[in-house]
Amino acid sequence: GAVVSQHPSWVICKSGTSVKIECRSLDFQATTMFWYRQFPKQSLMLMATSNEGSKATYEQGVEKDKFLINHASLTLSTLTVTSAHPEDSSFYICSARDDRSSYNSPLHFGNGTRLTVT
Amino acid sequence: GQQLNQSPQSMFIQEGEDVSMNCTSSSIFNTWLWYKQEPGEGPVLLIALYKAGELTSNGRLTAQFGITRKDSFLNISASIPSDVGIYFCAGLDGILTGGGNKLTFGTGTQLKVEL
Repeated sequence: GAVVSQHPSWVICKSGTSVKIECRSLDFQATTMFWYRQFPKQSLMLMATSNEGSKATYEQGVEKDKFLINHASLTLSTLTVTSAHPEDSSFYICSARDDRSSYNSPLHFGNGTRLTVT
Repeated sequence: GQQLNQSPQSMFIQEGEDVSMNCTSSSIFNTWLWYKQEPGEGPVLLIALYKAGELTSNGRLTAQFGITRKDSFLNISASIPSDVGIYFCAGLDGILTGGGNKLTFGTGTQLKVEL
């Protein structure tokens, strides 16, 4: 089945540093990937839609200069949290849509990255 | 923005009992999905619903897409300990913006099963 891999699965960083999270579709191509953030005991909230070869589309309230998204190939999207602060500590999850599937097909999710900013 | 409200927020049931949870929306969705999430992991798809009124089963799980396209329910029959987790409904709005329509998640239902 379709597999989405995220790396790293967890990361601890100091306040003020930047952290890069990778999302790869392992056995399919994905022109479109999505980045979600989940705080403890809360739902998944969409942060941005990542499109290969073009700029990401950010949801209202998400700072594009703080959360840099690069979708460099059809199998890789990266999310960089710049100048991280403790309030950025969260569970970041990516998902991808198989290019061969229809627009209303379910998304495939990665296993998430737990970010802790100290 | 769109909101999906799930109820109940949490459930604590005995093994073997049937479980029912539902999801309501303030707006219409073209596709409803049900996911399960375990601690520290991403959500895993359980059931996908594509047509209003559709009733779909996956083993002990049954889900229905409401006629109004603003609600859905998920039933789990004869619960077992491994059913523990958080269940999320999610809706696809069918609006192709930015390269793909967006998935909106519900507030979640935490299920705990007592042996």
